[in-house]
Amino acid sequence: NAGVTQTPKFRILKIGQSMTLQCTQDMNHNYMYWYRQDPGMGLKLIYYSVGAGITDKGEVPNGYNVSRSTTEDFPLRLELAAPSQTSVYFCASSPGQGTAQHFGDGTRLSIL
Amino acid sequence: AQKITQTQPGMFVQEKEAVTLDCTYDTSDPSYGLFWYKQPSSGEMIFLIYQGSYDQQNATEGRYSLNFQKARKSANLVISASQLGDSAMYFCAMRVGETSGSRLTFGEGTQLTVNP
Repeated sequence: NAGVTQTPKFRILKIGQSMTLQCTQDMNHNYMYWYRQDPGMGLKLIYYSVGAGITDKGEVPNGYNVSRSTTEDFPLRLELAAPSQTSVYFCASSPGQGTAQHFGDGTRLSIL
Repeated sequence: AQKITQTQPGMFVQEKEAVTLDCTYDTSDPSYGLFWYKQPSSGEMIFLIYQGSYDQQNATEGRYSLNFQKARKSANLVISASQLGDSAMYFCAMRVGETSGSRLTFGEGTQLTVNP
């Protein structure tokens, strides 16, 4: 009964480094999402996907890339880490339109 | 563009009392949905309740109910019989349209503290 699993839970990066945040779901959901949450703020959508092979930009996509080669996995890539990308990153999935999104536990990322 | 506004940065309530958390929204699309999520200090996001724009009745889920006033564009969350475990950040979110991939726009949240 895993739901949405994110790895790692915590990470510290140096400016200019790159990394991939992993997200996998075992509920066979078509829709997947990446959000970031800055301190004291609500979540902002980075990228989303409505199915394998289909991705689209959200509200704050700059500095990030995604891919969706399978229904289960939706990794988020940071190519050149910047201090402004220090945040908590949440992955979510949902079965379809108008349905609640199920969230992972988040990845806390610090760029120093 | 769609927008969610939560005007109460913080709210306090006595245990066992009811509390209302405000949420107003702005969209010109006739099809939308409103969600409430709870985020405890541990950080996870927990889905509480959903209201669709075409739903005739206000949504209820246990101690949670949604006071949906379409003309006022408000979707307030009512928590009855507050418990200490209800202390958390609460987010209102909106999904707009039928072809947007169910993307959510979030408000900035209300921090609820339940006092014993």
